[in-house]
Amino acid sequence: DAGITQSPRYKITETGRQVTLMCHQTWSHSYMFWYRQDLGHGLRLIYYSAAADITDKGEVPDGYVVSRSKTENFPLTLESATRSQTSVYFCASRKTYQGTSNTGELFFGEGSRLTVL
Amino acid sequence: SQQGEEDPQALSIQEGENATMNCSYKTSINNLQWYRQNSGRGLVHLILIRSNEREKHSGRLRVTLDTSKKSSSLLITASRAADTASYFCALTGFQKLVFGTGTRLLVSP
Repeated sequence: DAGITQSPRYKITETGRQVTLMCHQTWSHSYMFWYRQDLGHGLRLIYYSAAADITDKGEVPDGYVVSRSKTENFPLTLESATRSQTSVYFCASRKTYQGTSNTGELFFGEGSRLTVL
Repeated sequence: SQQGEEDPQALSIQEGENATMNCSYKTSINNLQWYRQNSGRGLVHLILIRSNEREKHSGRLRVTLDTSKKSSSLLITASRAADTASYFCALTGFQKLVFGTGTRLLVSP
């Protein structure tokens, strides 16, 4: 089915372990984003990508690594997980702006709930 | 910070009533979007209003934007229990969207 999918949906890990959250979209959207959602903070942007092999930091990038070797995939890696990274992670995508015909609407995955013990 | 701030943080109303939530921000924007999030789900786009627009309608939704006051409001008319969700404003800059902290809306039957 077309859309944006995240995996795993739920993950429990221990402090210090490496964790990779996967994101896959079937629309060939140029832009992809990773957000984390925490109570009291809303959604905060971690990293985003404008195209394959182009990534940039968002508001809270420390402790995270991203890559985008293919347009459809945008994995997020926690190199050494910490308890403060316990959160719900959302991946999103959108088309490139094309004048006023593109709304800039983001399409979100269902989220990955990560618990770091 | 570019983040929008929604007000109120939580809102509880009865079915059939109108719900109004506000978003204030501090920076210049290209456009402003509103999203909805049902519990445990991803966000879903509701409506976009451009910086040169003042009001926009979509079904039971009405969005206003006042760039001089750097604020926007989302009005849901004749609310239904199914409207129970969190609502977020999102500020659109050059490439990315920055979300506010959200308003939790509870609509009781």
